Amino acid sequence: KAGVTQTPRYLIKTRGQQVTLSCSPISGHRSVSWYQQTPGQGLQFLFEYFSETQRNKGNFPGRFSGRQFSNSRSEMNVSTLELGDSALYLCASKAGGRNEQFFGPGTRLTVL
Amino acid sequence: QKEVEQDPGPLSVPEGAIVSLNCTYSNSAFQYFMWYRQYSRKGPELLMYTYSSGNKEDGRFTAQVDKSSKYISLFIRDSQPSDSATYLCAMRAGGTSYGKLTFGQGTILTVHP
Repeated sequence: KAGVTQTPRYLIKTRGQQVTLSCSPISGHRSVSWYQQTPGQGLQFLFEYFSETQRNKGNFPGRFSGRQFSNSRSEMNVSTLELGDSALYLCASKAGGRNEQFFGPGTRLTVL
Repeated sequence: QKEVEQDPGPLSVPEGAIVSLNCTYSNSAFQYFMWYRQYSRKGPELLMYTYSSGNKEDGRFTAQVDKSSKYISLFIRDSQPSDSATYLCAMRAGGTSYGKLTFGQGTILTVHP
């Protein structure tokens, strides 16, 4: 079974721009969660989608948003980028009724 | 105070040593516990998952959970240079927390030959 895939792997943007990151979960997994990883704050939960509905949200500003499609693929969007948004953005998927989450390789976003 | 505390290390051990990694937590709602390994510039890889107090063994790895003390551990026996990575503990509450994991800061481990 293929693992979680994320595109693009690397991204460089400038302040004020917006960015969209994509995640394809493991086949059959309907839950997709997004996390931000930085050296200072570690791994922090952004939000989770299940069957195209956001069912959990972390403590991030409204500039961070996401969505999920009917095939369970998910995107997250960050608008009006700030320098502090530079991070590794990780996507994780899990099967319904299970607790184990499996992570993708991440998208490394650099904001200049 | 963070909900999950993990000693960031770094931890450096010789090959063959037994490694002990630990996390403490303050939220008594946490019911599910995971350990992840993350190599440099890679995503976290799930190593162990437990949901009850006690021990769970998988090869060279043993996960231990003590809910009464709010303390979890990961032991690595016969450590290898390939075990050099950052180890992250993660926890989830029950109920409507669904997929939300709360992570420790991660412990950087180096196993030298």
